[in-house]
Amino acid sequence: EAQVTQNPRYLITVTGKKLTVTCSQNMNHEYMSWYRQDPGLGLRQIYYSMNVEVTDKGDVPEGYKVSRKEKRNFPLILESPSPNQTSLYFCASSLGGMNTEAFFGQGTRLTVV
Amino acid sequence: AQTVTQSQPEMSVQEAETVTLSCTYDTSESDYYLFWYKQPPSRQMILVIRQEAYKQQNATENRFSVNFQKAAKSFSLKISDSQLGDAAMYFCAYRRVTSGSRLTFGEGTQLTVNP
Repeated sequence: EAQVTQNPRYLITVTGKKLTVTCSQNMNHEYMSWYRQDPGLGLRQIYYSMNVEVTDKGDVPEGYKVSRKEKRNFPLILESPSPNQTSLYFCASSLGGMNTEAFFGQGTRLTVV
Repeated sequence: AQTVTQSQPEMSVQEAETVTLSCTYDTSESDYYLFWYKQPPSRQMILVIRQEAYKQQNATENRFSVNFQKAAKSFSLKISDSQLGDAAMYFCAYRRVTSGSRLTFGEGTQLTVNP
């Protein structure tokens, strides 16, 4: 089954404790992205990747890191989480080009206390 | 920079009735894609419908259709014969043709369906 898998789905952590949210896709997609969803703001792109070892900042990259060492995986790293990073996070992948559909993971609800 | 605006934070509709969700966007591009996504309480993002800007014909998918007004930069979603399962948050989104992954989303509209 074609899918994007995020883990964990729920996470509560303390300020400053490094964490990683994993994302994996099994569709051989070139493009992968991370978004955060906040009430009244919709989804905003954090980082995206066009292929292995190629990443770039989205609209709200501060406080986040990503890496793309393998085509299927695109982890999101919070080196020193702060309460303002409490949010719902989504990973997405797509083929790009004329193929327009993006596939989303199930979401990760992160709470930083 | 592209922006997408959904001016209706909440909408409600009676079951079996029709409802229209509004979306406007701003871009200097002539070719792009527009989408409506549905997010039910499960949080899953589900693609409802998409529209290519170069196509004049409005997209339809069963009970869902759009009114795409390119000159006005308007992209509304019409849901006919509303069902209880249509209750969800709906997001309008924009993507440039040359952008493989960058979706710009609106703020969202929470749709309630009353029995």
